[in-house]
Amino acid sequence: GQQLNQSPQSMFIQEGEDVSMNCTSSSIFNTWLWYKQDPGEGPVLLIALYKAGELTSNGRLTAQFGITRKDSFLNISASIPSDVGIYFCAGQWRGTYKYIFGTGTRLKVLA
Amino acid sequence: EAGVAQSPRYKIIEKRQSVAFWCNPISGHATLYWYQQILGQGPKLLIQFQNNGVVDDSQLPKDRFSAERLKGVDSTLKIQPAKLEDSAVYLCASSFNRGDWQYFGPGTRLTVT
Repeated sequence: GQQLNQSPQSMFIQEGEDVSMNCTSSSIFNTWLWYKQDPGEGPVLLIALYKAGELTSNGRLTAQFGITRKDSFLNISASIPSDVGIYFCAGQWRGTYKYIFGTGTRLKVLA
Repeated sequence: EAGVAQSPRYKIIEKRQSVAFWCNPISGHATLYWYQQILGQGPKLLIQFQNNGVVDDSQLPKDRFSAERLKGVDSTLKIQPAKLEDSAVYLCASSFNRGDWQYFGPGTRLTVT
């Protein structure tokens, strides 16, 4: 099945550094969601975006809905060890109720 | 508010055996989803229910997978017979209504040997 492209696939960063990741598609989406998944757990919703250009923050996390409606970005500022996990984007196709998930960005934070 | 509950958490079976997973969504959520997550990939939707009706099962391998949501609350997903490639985490999610945020359960990790 189709999945959205996420970049980077994985990354190691030092504690305190900022992190950026993105999600791209050839399709237009109405809504973008960002989830974090810890090992052995289900994904947990971090941020939801509803309009092109929208910028939304949740603590140290900031996400943006791309102007073209085909991409989204997630930034984590001043990373801490508990930020370790896999981050997934999910886009809702325009005119449907269906979400499609990205391939995930695996984040590892070095203390 | 209680989250989405799933059981069992882990299951190991041999190929050609059958297996069933159970999900109890968040109270009041009309929409229920089953996803398959293969190691290293994002969740892939298998089936979506709105109350007790199926609204999308386009990616469900219907020759071996079945799902039901009796009375519009709990749901079960069954695989019969299982194949090696069915090894994955099976996630259940629910949302208040179609298109709303989805809340995920912890998943059931299935290993087919």
